[in-house]
Amino acid sequence: EAGVVQSPRYKIIEKKQPVAFWCNPISGHNTLYWYRQNLGQGPELLIRYENEEAVDDSQLPKDRFSAERLKGVDSTLKIQPAELGDSAVYLCASSFNAGSYEQYFGPGTRLTVT
Amino acid sequence: QKEVEQDPGPLSVPEGAIVSLNCTYSNSAFQYFMWYRQYSRKGPELLMYTYSSGNKEDGRFTAQVDKSSKYISLFIRDSQPSDSATYLCAQGGGSYIPTFGRGTSLIVHP
Repeated sequence: EAGVVQSPRYKIIEKKQPVAFWCNPISGHNTLYWYRQNLGQGPELLIRYENEEAVDDSQLPKDRFSAERLKGVDSTLKIQPAELGDSAVYLCASSFNAGSYEQYFGPGTRLTVT
Repeated sequence: QKEVEQDPGPLSVPEGAIVSLNCTYSNSAFQYFMWYRQYSRKGPELLMYTYSSGNKEDGRFTAQVDKSSKYISLFIRDSQPSDSATYLCAQGGGSYIPTFGRGTSLIVHP
């Protein structure tokens, strides 16, 4: 069974440029999470989807971040414009449903903003 | 104060040692307590979970939750160099936003 797929794995951009990350969760998983992990820190939730509905997005900086999960499968996280402080690893995870403790993480996208 | 506190280490031990990794938490509403292992430049992978209080054993790994003291522990017996990674404790389950500690870096040297 394929795991959570993320692309790109690495991205280097200049500040004020836009960037987008893509995630394909495990087949059959209804819940999808986007996390940000800063160096030396644990993952912090940005947004959680139940199918195509965003149910937890209080931690998402909505002035520059946006996300979508069309058809309740793949998801895209976008930053526009990027700032230096956005440099981090962006992790996507999925679980069977919201009540499941068991999340499966992708390898992450390492973003560097210069 | 973060909801889940964890010493970042690094913790360096010789091969074969018993390793004890610990976290404290502040929110008593969570029922699931998890340990994730994260290798360098990889995503976290679920290692073990415990529901409510008590112990859970899986091979060389034992997870323990003490709700009275709000303490989460992971014990690794007969540690191996391949156990070298960052170990993240987390709370979650139900409708609650999953909360992670910052991780403890473990180094097992031959």
